[in-house]
Amino acid sequence: AQSVSQHNHHVILSEAASLELGCNYSYGGTVNLFWYVQYPGQHLQLLLKYFSGDPLVKGIKGFEAEFIKSKFSFNLRKPSVQWSDTAEYFCAVNAPNNNDMRFGAGTRLTVKP
Amino acid sequence: GAGVSQTPSNKVTEKGKYVELRCDPISGHTALYWYRQSLGQGPEFLIYFQGTGAADDSGLPNDRFFAVRPEGSVSTLKIQRTERGDSAVYLCASSPQRGGLETQYFGPGTRLLVL
Repeated sequence: AQSVSQHNHHVILSEAASLELGCNYSYGGTVNLFWYVQYPGQHLQLLLKYFSGDPLVKGIKGFEAEFIKSKFSFNLRKPSVQWSDTAEYFCAVNAPNNNDMRFGAGTRLTVKP
Repeated sequence: GAGVSQTPSNKVTEKGKYVELRCDPISGHTALYWYRQSLGQGPEFLIYFQGTGAADDSGLPNDRFFAVRPEGSVSTLKIQRTERGDSAVYLCASSPQRGGLETQYFGPGTRLLVL
């Protein structure tokens, strides 16, 4: 079964700093990859997703993620964070036509104004 | 339009009691999912419905957990003989069709506390 590792439990940055959150998965076959975000007091919402094609995926609010198949990674990046990006970020993976979506433990991002 | 709604938002119960958690998916979404999120963890898959039938219940931890979706819309997650370890946030998500390629839209969750 697939599993997901998020290496950073809590990241603290100042505004305008660059962000990279790590995500590695273990699964031998084709996968669909997702990043979800949960802002304080709100529910999980999709940030971006990768199914196929260009491994560099652009999502909402200036976020992007790069799928590197050889490294089983799908790291999330943003060139310049804002205070409003303070949230918890979850990486998730499933196999095509598989209902069992596996989430990482999450990374809490705190952006200091 | 309206998103996924879940009731109650919070539920406190005593060990050994029975609880029901309700999920109203987005109108027209045929796929519905239940997850459990414990403190400091990501959501953990419990069960998936396609229409009225439970297409995949492999994530249910034991036979105390059961879920139904009798009319293919609202779903109820039922937990019998609750234990303190059942305390968690229970999330519901829906998607237009079968999972995998479809984005799942999450509800706000029900926070369950078993004393």
